[in-house]
Amino acid sequence: QQQVKQSPQSLIVQKGGISIINCAYENTAFDYFPWYQQFPGKGPALLIAIRPDVSEKKEGRFTISFNKSAKQFSLHIMDSQPGDSATYFCAASGQGGALNFGKGTSLLVTP
Amino acid sequence: KAGVTQTPRYLIKTRGQQVTLSCSPISGHRSVSWYQQTPGQGLQFLFEYFSETQRNKGNFPGRFSGRQFSNSRSEMNVSTLELGDSALYLCASQGGAITDTQYFGPGTRLTVL
Repeated sequence: QQQVKQSPQSLIVQKGGISIINCAYENTAFDYFPWYQQFPGKGPALLIAIRPDVSEKKEGRFTISFNKSAKQFSLHIMDSQPGDSATYFCAASGQGGALNFGKGTSLLVTP
Repeated sequence: KAGVTQTPRYLIKTRGQQVTLSCSPISGHRSVSWYQQTPGQGLQFLFEYFSETQRNKGNFPGRFSGRQFSNSRSEMNVSTLELGDSALYLCASQGGAITDTQYFGPGTRLTVL
């Protein structure tokens, strides 16, 4: 079964707006939560990642918020740009190392 | 450093055939993982190799197999191809520790007719 649930499936945001993508997981053994960005014809590229010992991590315009008790984490893209238009995947893994991916969110940032 | 390379980039096969895909990890990386990406199922883990040994395995049938060579390059093989095997096959390179970041290659697009 899907171990990581991601929403929304698609998202349209105006340039300069905030894009928010949410993920939820069930397995409490997960201890690593990365976000990947994928452009058409390319492989996923790591955007930002967090471990459960912190509740928030920010890198430039990208922020991960993590709620351990709710088993949820989200990606916020501030000041969204047309170049951010891509598919975003959340993922989770435990000590086993295999990444369990969400189904992806197709983001379109309009000019 | 050069990134992860995968060959071939595109492949067309017919049902019943077999196929071999190749992956060269980032220099110095000792772990290679394989994932299957389809529109319906998303990204699913196939298996991981570290120092020529399978360290982890996903829930795929035995038709899917892999191996890793002493230079860390990896191959995956799919035998008796089915239409449903059409997918983007992605290879991810990792330093070696289970907690290291996984870096993905561009993938091999396999079409089964």
